[in-house]
Amino acid sequence: AQSVTQLGSHVSVSEGALVLLRCNYSSSVPPYLFWYVQYPNQGLQLLLKYTSAATLVKGINGFEAEFKKSETSFHLTKPSAHMSDAAEYFCAVSGIGANNLFFGTGTRLTVIP
Amino acid sequence: DSGVTQTPKHLITATGQRVTLRCSPRSGDLSVYWYQQSLDQGLQFLIQYYNGEERAKGNILERFSAQQFPDLHSELNLSSLELGDSALYFCASSVAGATTYEQYFGPGTRLTVT
Repeated sequence: AQSVTQLGSHVSVSEGALVLLRCNYSSSVPPYLFWYVQYPNQGLQLLLKYTSAATLVKGINGFEAEFKKSETSFHLTKPSAHMSDAAEYFCAVSGIGANNLFFGTGTRLTVIP
Repeated sequence: DSGVTQTPKHLITATGQRVTLRCSPRSGDLSVYWYQQSLDQGLQFLIQYYNGEERAKGNILERFSAQQFPDLHSELNLSSLELGDSALYFCASSVAGATTYEQYFGPGTRLTVT
């Protein structure tokens, strides 16, 4: 069975500081992993995805994530936070060939000016 | 704008009632997914349709049903509504059925059951 655990329901960073949002996965099969962002009153938007190619995945808006099998992690990072990054971030997992995603509980990112 | 439309945006109804949520996928997308987002359950996959056929089922209650029509729009029917059904319901679409394909989410329908 697939699941993800997001550590920290709320994360606050200063503008210009490193953003690190943590995600650990559990999967009985090789996983596909995703990060989605949800801005207030909007649907989810895909930031990036890992589908068993390069372990370092670059996404939109300067975000990237690294797949670490030994740590079962897929943490999301951005070198320098911007005010517009304030949103809720969801990590998700699926099995290869699966049809649906299993989402984490989300991490709300606050950026302090 | 993801290209996925959902109507209505907001819905307020009473316990025991039945409602229908509508989703139009992006042009060319064959697969539609329904998700429920609530404070206590988080974001949960309900059901997926691909080109009119049910493809996968998640934590969907028996009181809930969905279908995808020949023009590929989808409807989620919620009946015998309970207070706990209050949530944001998202529709997403993708070009095909597997999760390797990006899912594009609509803005959601906020259902309030009173």
